[in-house]
Amino acid sequence: NAGVTQTPKFQVLKTGQSMTLQCAQDMNHEYMSWYRQDPGMGLRLIHYSVGAGITDQGEVPNGYNVSRSTTEDFPLRLLSAAPSQTSVYFCASSLLGSGTEAFFGQGTRLTVV
Amino acid sequence: TQLLEQSPQFLSIQEGENLTVYCNSSSVFSSLQWYRQEPGEGPVLLVTVVTGGEVKKLKRLTFQFGDARKDSSLHITAAQPGDTGLYLCAGPSQAGTALIFGKGTTLSVSS
Repeated sequence: NAGVTQTPKFQVLKTGQSMTLQCAQDMNHEYMSWYRQDPGMGLRLIHYSVGAGITDQGEVPNGYNVSRSTTEDFPLRLLSAAPSQTSVYFCASSLLGSGTEAFFGQGTRLTVV
Repeated sequence: TQLLEQSPQFLSIQEGENLTVYCNSSSVFSSLQWYRQEPGEGPVLLVTVVTGGEVKKLKRLTFQFGDARKDSSLHITAAQPGDTGLYLCAGPSQAGTALIFGKGTTLSVSS
């Protein structure tokens, strides 16, 4: 059972470059989300989706785009990378509803130089 | 804005010691969760507490949800090096569309 799969695990970008972080889950979860984790800041929500075709902004959405064309996939796009986007990114999925368990991918460590 | 504040931020103890980690808010949460994260991995759920005053035990870990559902604590008895990691509390937003995380407590247990 793969759970939540994120690729790549590591990435270095130059300022201004764009890229897509991939996230796929095989648990048929309606809810998927992207977080960034920075030292001393905890996990901050970037974007989330409650189902295919539905996305919404979280706490820190600027500079990122998402789409949800299928239940399984939820890619995160960096439009024009900036050093402030250097972080560890986590994708998570869960069933809808309060108190349900969130399953996380292994993370993508992104460095923007 | 719902916030979860965790304390302490860092904890370094010897094997066999007991410890308590706190998660506090001024907001009421319908439930709270505790996750543990190891280096290079994503967080993994330890427990969900849903009823005010609830106490749940997971081997040497005891979780408590405050009566008013604004706070929670995690107590570890006789800590072991394998308990080392980042402990995060999390709760659903009022709209139920986001999971709000505290900033975490980094625990280091040395033998």
